[in-house]
Amino acid sequence: AQSVAQPEDQVNVAEGNPLTVKCTYSVSGNPYLFWYVQYPNRGLQFLLKYITGDNLVKGSYGFEAEFNKSQTSFHLKKPSALVSDSALYFCAVRDGHNQGGKLIFGQGTELSVKP
Amino acid sequence: DAGVIQSPRHEVTEMGQEVTLRCKPISGHNSLFWYRQTMMRGLELLIYFNNNVPIDDSGMPEDRFSAKMPNASFSTLKIQPSEPRDSAVYFCASSLGQGRNTEAFFGQGTRLTVV
Repeated sequence: AQSVAQPEDQVNVAEGNPLTVKCTYSVSGNPYLFWYVQYPNRGLQFLLKYITGDNLVKGSYGFEAEFNKSQTSFHLKKPSALVSDSALYFCAVRDGHNQGGKLIFGQGTELSVKP
Repeated sequence: DAGVIQSPRHEVTEMGQEVTLRCKPISGHNSLFWYRQTMMRGLELLIYFNNNVPIDDSGMPEDRFSAKMPNASFSTLKIQPSEPRDSAVYFCASSLGQGRNTEAFFGQGTRLTVV
């Protein structure tokens, strides 16, 4: 069965510093990977996705993610964090062999960026 | 496009009452997902539909939960009878096509409180 793990419940970063939010996945086929962000009392917003091709994917708001097949990871990164990046971040996966297209989310990582 | 529309935004009900949550997906999208979010369990996939047909309902917690999609522009999630442990935020999401590389777009959610 497909699954996603986000090993850190919370990540604290100073404004202007680089940030990384970690994600590892498990699927039986080719992975389709996604990152979403959730602000308080809001729904989830799509940030970026990896389907195939370049291992470094660029997305919204200056975020990018690096796909590493050997480590089964898809870490979210940003070179310079902003206070407004503080939110809950979710990694998600769809299994390439799964005909149904089920979209499974990790537990989420709370990102806190301090001035 | 107005995005995925959920109603109501907030629902407070007494234990034992029937609750119906509503969702209007983005026009043209043919995959629809229902998720439940709690602090303890994170974001759980309850059920999803492709072309109005339920594909996987393995996440539906009990027979008290049921979901329907009578047409491409409307879906309901019903809980009957409701219990306090059903209190959560329920999200509906839709995506275009059955492709596993398509991202899902989320509604604002319905915050359900069962007292």
